[in-house]
Amino acid sequence: ETGVTQTPRHLVMGMTNKKSLKCEQHLGHNAMYWYKQSAKKPLELMFVYNFKEQTENNSVPSRFSPECPNSSHLFLHLHTLQPEDSALYLCASSQDNYASNSPLHFGNGTRLTVT
Amino acid sequence: KQEVTQIPAALSVPEGENLVLNCSFTDSAIYNLQWFRQDPGKGLTSLLLIQSSQREQTSGRLNASLDKSSGRSTLYIAASQPGDSATYLCAPKTGANNLFFGTGTRLTVIP
Repeated sequence: ETGVTQTPRHLVMGMTNKKSLKCEQHLGHNAMYWYKQSAKKPLELMFVYNFKEQTENNSVPSRFSPECPNSSHLFLHLHTLQPEDSALYLCASSQDNYASNSPLHFGNGTRLTVT
Repeated sequence: KQEVTQIPAALSVPEGENLVLNCSFTDSAIYNLQWFRQDPGKGLTSLLLIQSSQREQTSGRLNASLDKSSGRSTLYIAASQPGDSATYLCAPKTGANNLFFGTGTRLTVIP
């Protein structure tokens, strides 16, 4: 049972749709992350929130819009996506972003397919 | 920008064998290095975290070492089991905001 829960597990959407991915952590952590994992490529960091403040936007296109209403919840709002955005989207959390001994804990991801 | 290389990309061993997975990184100014395993279609499970001041960490049959100055880490798995079959990823943390990942080593342990 993971302490980081992502919903939905699978999502198929057309290029004109708007959808949202949800992440919730039950670990009392203060930092939350969105990563993208495409086939045969390393995980790419997308966004980082530390104590609800966005501290990193890794040159992500504006069709991806994150939201962090509190330290336990993180959303990724999607609109007008492209087929190349199809990937596994992973949420992670850690105690905070600056501690050197704070491991990342990942959810099981949302498998997104854009048609 | 940090670049992470994991060798080999894939490895197949018989059950019971001891094995070593290798990770190299280009920027030695790291805060820590974390090893993960990923099962197909799943998220990442943290295995070990080595802080930059440490040389190794152990958890059960797993031992991870870190040579920061040479930009290398190894993950040693003793007495491998079929349940160890997964992709193993290393990720050095460089700076406050970023964990850089390699593409992983896909391990298959044959019963």
